[in-house]
Amino acid sequence: KQEVTQIPAALSVPEGENLVLNCSFTDSAIYNLQWFRQDPGKGLTSLLLIQSSQREQTSGRLNASLDKSSGRSTLYIAASQPGDSATYLCAVINAGKSTFGDGTTLTVKP
Amino acid sequence: EAQVTQNPRYLITVTGKKLTVTCSQNMNHEYMSWYRQDPGLGLRQIYYSMNVEVTDKGDVPEGYKVSRKEKRNFPLILESPSPNQTSLYFCASSFSSQARAGANVLTFGAGSRLTVL
Repeated sequence: KQEVTQIPAALSVPEGENLVLNCSFTDSAIYNLQWFRQDPGKGLTSLLLIQSSQREQTSGRLNASLDKSSGRSTLYIAASQPGDSATYLCAVINAGKSTFGDGTTLTVKP
Repeated sequence: EAQVTQNPRYLITVTGKKLTVTCSQNMNHEYMSWYRQDPGLGLRQIYYSMNVEVTDKGDVPEGYKVSRKEKRNFPLILESPSPNQTSLYFCASSFSSQARAGANVLTFGAGSRLTVL
């Protein structure tokens, strides 16, 4: 059974800092890995999807990497802003089946 | 606008009273899924569907039913709701083909908050 772990569970940084969120998974037989953002009481917004054949994807200040052999993905956020404060979730996707981590709650202080 | 629409957004019901949460997507996606999100337990998959008339259990299917009679709709049915099914429910959909741009990008609905008394 696929297990997904996100470390740290919570992170607080000052505005402007670069930061890395971690996601690890136990079964490397995946199709894709997707990163989401969730604001309190809201739905999930897709940030980046990395297909199993790719090693990284970039969107603006966000960069996500994937290392299937080690079962790890990282989400790098450059020059963090208070508006980046949210919970970040990673999901391992294998066809219709998906497994989510518990998320990292990020607080960016002005 | 491409979207996944869930209804109702909020519902309070009583134990044993059958209810259905509807999910509809207008993107012609093959894959659809239901999840529940609970504090301390994260987001867990209930059921998923790979196409019309093809459904399979996720990690927490007990107490739920689904059907996929049309490509755009994937309702979640609680035949006899119990208080432990109080949760925030999400529906999501995606394309199935790896060759298409945006394939497998999960698009989520806004969520349905269900309270069972």
